[in-house]
Amino acid sequence: EVQLVESGGGLVKPGGSLRLSCAASGFTFSSYSMNWVRQVPGKGLEWVSSIISTRSSSSNIYYADSVKGRFTISRDNAKNSLYLQMNSLRAEDTAVYYCARDRYAYGDYHAFDYWGQGTLVTVSS
Amino acid sequence: EIVLTQSPATLSLSPGERATLSCRASQSVSSYLVWYQQKPGQAPRLLIYDSSNRATGIPARFSGSGSGTDFTLTISSLEPEDFAVYYCQQRGSWPLTFGGGTKVDIK
Repeated sequence: EVQLVESGGGLVKPGGSLRLSCAASGFTFSSYSMNWVRQVPGKGLEWVSSIISTRSSSSNIYYADSVKGRFTISRDNAKNSLYLQMNSLRAEDTAVYYCARDRYAYGDYHAFDYWGQGTLVTVSS
Repeated sequence: EIVLTQSPATLSLSPGERATLSCRASQSVSSYLVWYQQKPGQAPRLLIYDSSNRATGIPARFSGSGSGTDFTLTISSLEPEDFAVYYCQQRGSWPLTFGGGTKVDIK
């Protein structure tokens, strides 16, 4: 059974940092592109970042303009884990952060077939 | 950036009725359009990918159509569990973008 479990959310002051983790199980993690999507409570979905898994073992990375230069996505295939390092946090980064898996292994597909339960990040003084 | 506009914002219908949801893209996304369903307190659920392909386990009452800039999600006969918020997403170009959502609620 595919499972994605996020952790690391919490309350942080503006300008602070937080590192989110997503623990994956039930599939060959290294083969799949992974993504972060966020949602302000009561609002819509916003794509944040993607890390693309390719057969050549390289990883392409993409960010939304709203987080570029502040957030860093990474993965540890040996630990079956996805990360999101969030620096210089702002009030507008307050949201539930979901990790999500691409529907197909290897490459740029970006339809998300499995999602975690989400972790809430609150940026407030 | 491709902007996705969903309409209507809210659709009030009764169980058994047909629901027709629209998603319009600011420029062509070919057939690279995805639909999700989200219920309160839950993560989104993949319904339809590439405009018209149902994801694994999705009932046949859900269907998608369209290409280019205009897309439709149709629920042929609403079941009680279908009352939720529906989002479209384009996967054709970076940045990936979502529509603002359509809430289907009980009339």
